[in-house]
Parts: sequence; C-alpha cells; structure tokens
Amino acid sequence: GAGVSQSPSNKVTEKGKDVELRCDPISGHTALYWYRQSLGQGLEFLIYFQGNSAPDKSGLPSDRFSAERTGGSVSTLTIQRTQQEDSAVYLCASSLVGFTPSIEQYFGPGTRLTVT
Amino acid sequence: EDQVTQSPEALRLQEGESSSLNCSYTVSGLRGLFWYRQDPGKGPEFLFTLYSAGEEKEKERLKATLTKKESFLHITAPKPEDSATYLCAVRPQNKLIFGTGTLLAVQP
Repeated sequence: GAGVSQSPSNKVTEKGKDVELRCDPISGHTALYWYRQSLGQGLEFLIYFQGNSAPDKSGLPSDRFSAERTGGSVSTLTIQRTQQEDSAVYLCASSLVGFTPSIEQYFGPGTRLTVT
Repeated sequence: EDQVTQSPEALRLQEGESSSLNCSYTVSGLRGLFWYRQDPGKGPEFLFTLYSAGEEKEKERLKATLTKKESFLHITAPKPEDSATYLCAVRPQNKLIFGTGTLLAVQP
C-alpha cells in the first residue's frame, strides 16, 4: 500500500511569510507525528496526534508553529512569520497505535523548507 | 533528561569489512529503542525495534542488540548499498528522541 506522503517536497519562502506543509498518513494509522531535521542535528519532535485525543504539542518551538489534523487523517503544519532558523526538513510519520510501547513509526519523504 | 548519543559520527568501511555502530542512551522509562536507516533526501526507513536488555534482532547483514545503557548495530560483510545514515531513537513516551546518526560509507 501507499506510504506516508508529504507535500510540497520543497518550499522556498521569504522571511516573514506563512507556510503550510501537508502530510497524508498511511491509511488506517491513527497516530501522526511531525518532526524537524536541521542540518547536522538529529530529528526533533514537534507534535503528536492520536485519534480524537488532544495533541501533544510539547515540541513546538514557538507559537508561530501550529498543526491540525482533520478527520483523523490528513495533517497540516503551519509556520507563521517564517524565520531563517525555520529552514529545515520537516518530516511526518504515522503509526497504527500511539500508545503501544514498541510500535514503529513510518516516515514520509519530508518537505525541505528554505527561508530566504 | 532523555538523551541519545551515537558514535562514531562517520564511518568508512571497505566492502566486506564488518563493524559496529554504537547508540548510548539515558531515558526515564524505555518503551522501545529503534534503529532507522536514512538515505539522502529521503525519510528514515524503519529497521528494528528492541524493547528489553538482551534482545537481538537481525535483518540481512544487520544485527541490533540492546543492553540497559546502549545498543549496537552490527554490520557483517557490508556492501556499498548499505551506505546510509543510521539513526537510533528511544521512545520514553509518545515521541521518539533521536541521536544525530552515524554516516556509513562502504567502498567497493
């Protein structure tokens, strides 16, 4: 079946503009995660959605970042008033169940965001 | 503080030269240790989950082991197609905490 898909694959934006990144998880996966991967750094957790529960937003770096998940499927990560330090690859992952200890997460190809 | 440290940062091997990658971790409550492979321009690809000390898992030329403080990814007789960045992550709760990875280059 299809894996996690993300769009766009690349996004170049000017400093101060808003951007929206989209994630389509694997069909039937109830948990969805957003991570950020900056050059030379490890993947950094941003936000987690599980079913109809309130999302875990503990990784969002500032209030310029927000995310929503509509209908328990597609998710959009929004960055307002982008800054150059927001430049990174934004990765989305999904898994069957969020709370099972050893359940694996499957990643999409990422969106490379460049803020000029 | 939950933390993952991977070593070495980069490793260059000749084809057929076996070696190991290290992942040291400190975590408040381990609910899984994960190994991923990441090729340039792509998202991480799941390899293994280890849950308890003493556990081992194998896939082709890769073998992952786990102790209470670290995990090893052993690569036996590697081939050029094994070249990639190998990421280790721990799962204390819902999120994964990743190390910065080991960049492996296998030369023919």
